[in-house]
Amino acid sequence: ETGVTQSPTHLIKTRGQQVTLRCSSQSGHNTVSWYQQALGQGPQFIFQYYREEENGRGNFPPRFSGLQFPNYSSELNVNALELDDSALYLCASRYQQGAYGYTFGSGTRLTVV
Amino acid sequence: KNEVEQSPQNLTAQEGEFITINCSYSVGISALHWLQQHPGGGIVSLFMLSSGKKKHGRLIATINIQEKHSSLHITASHPRDSAVYICAVSESKTSYDKVIFGPGTSLSVIP
Repeated sequence: ETGVTQSPTHLIKTRGQQVTLRCSSQSGHNTVSWYQQALGQGPQFIFQYYREEENGRGNFPPRFSGLQFPNYSSELNVNALELDDSALYLCASRYQQGAYGYTFGSGTRLTVV
Repeated sequence: KNEVEQSPQNLTAQEGEFITINCSYSVGISALHWLQQHPGGGIVSLFMLSSGKKKHGRLIATINIQEKHSSLHITASHPRDSAVYICAVSESKTSYDKVIFGPGTSLSVIP
């Protein structure tokens, strides 16, 4: 049973809209990463947050942004949605950098129409 | 060369067969994950390994840190095991420790 919960599980948005995806991590997980998995492809790293600050980012435009909160929850925000943003969005969290592995959420499937 | 490789890419088995999926990696890691993804579904964590062997039901995962190799075994395979199995590693040498995903192995178990 995963200790990382993502919400919602499915979401449909219109091109140009904004979306917020949420991830609730286990207590003590101060590192969270977000990934985008387009259909038929492997997950791509979006960014990582450590102690509420972004400390790593993949090749994604600034309209992809995030927040991490003191209660070990986090958000992925995407502005000005494009059709190509349709994907499964995964979050993964861990206790601290360099120790242990990640616990994965089951993902949020976003469809942009 | 990809940092995480898996073999085979595709696998078809008869129900009841013993299945092995292999993963090799070329980076330093703090942990290795085996994940399962059904078509159109989210990711389910099967195992997280940093050494040795783990067993859960019909699934067994092993890792050899020295050889940078891991295997996922499925005993008495069943059609419901049909899914994509992904090997992923938590890289330990970057300023931010991202997960690197393998390309996945698509398994189909035929009744």
